[in-house]
Amino acid sequence: RKEVEQDPGPFNVPEGATVAFNCTYSNSASQSFFWYRQDCRKEPKLLMSVYSSGNEDGRFTAQLNRASQYISLLIRDSKLSDSATYLCVVASYFGNEKLTFGTGTRLTIIP
Amino acid sequence: NAGVMQNPRHLVRRRGQEARLRCSPMKGHSHVYWYRQLPEEGLKFMVYLQKENIIDESGMPKERFSAEFPKEGPSILRIQQVVRGDSAAYFCASSPDRGKEQYFGPGTRLTVT
Repeated sequence: RKEVEQDPGPFNVPEGATVAFNCTYSNSASQSFFWYRQDCRKEPKLLMSVYSSGNEDGRFTAQLNRASQYISLLIRDSKLSDSATYLCVVASYFGNEKLTFGTGTRLTIIP
Repeated sequence: NAGVMQNPRHLVRRRGQEARLRCSPMKGHSHVYWYRQLPEEGLKFMVYLQKENIIDESGMPKERFSAEFPKEGPSILRIQQVVRGDSAAYFCASSPDRGKEQYFGPGTRLTVT
């Protein structure tokens, strides 16, 4: 079983729609959780950290369910510029700082 | 504040040659991480370094690969006697402290012919 599992997509969504991504992780000792986005052949860029209480940044909302080991990302009012691959990332800190990446979910926003 | 810098951006090597990849962390960051992304795959952790110390090298292949982060100068990922399977994008990330968010450089795309 992969440490971080994501639906690879692709998700093809019309502009203005709402889209949701899910991710599950296997290591219950994971301490920190993130969503990164990666444009084609570019570096991953931090989109947002994910907290147990849930957090929102503009059109983006992230949720964490530790009991189910489940992370989600919601994008509202999607824009053409949101087209990218979205990477679910977990880390076990305090001695193990490495990030473990999912393989990503590809999103294409259609005009 | 300049971001993480990596050079070269593209590197072509013939089988058996050596590849040296450089990473300069963001200003004020003393923690460096190297990741590898094979074609159509996710990023995989290779090694975590602080100045002059290797903290975690659990993701490094046992042979041909080494990394350093000297007191002065960039972090270097060195691959000796490259093989075709080493062709990948190598990303470096830095953070200001343990447990803080990591910021990635633009990567070095290594092609082994």
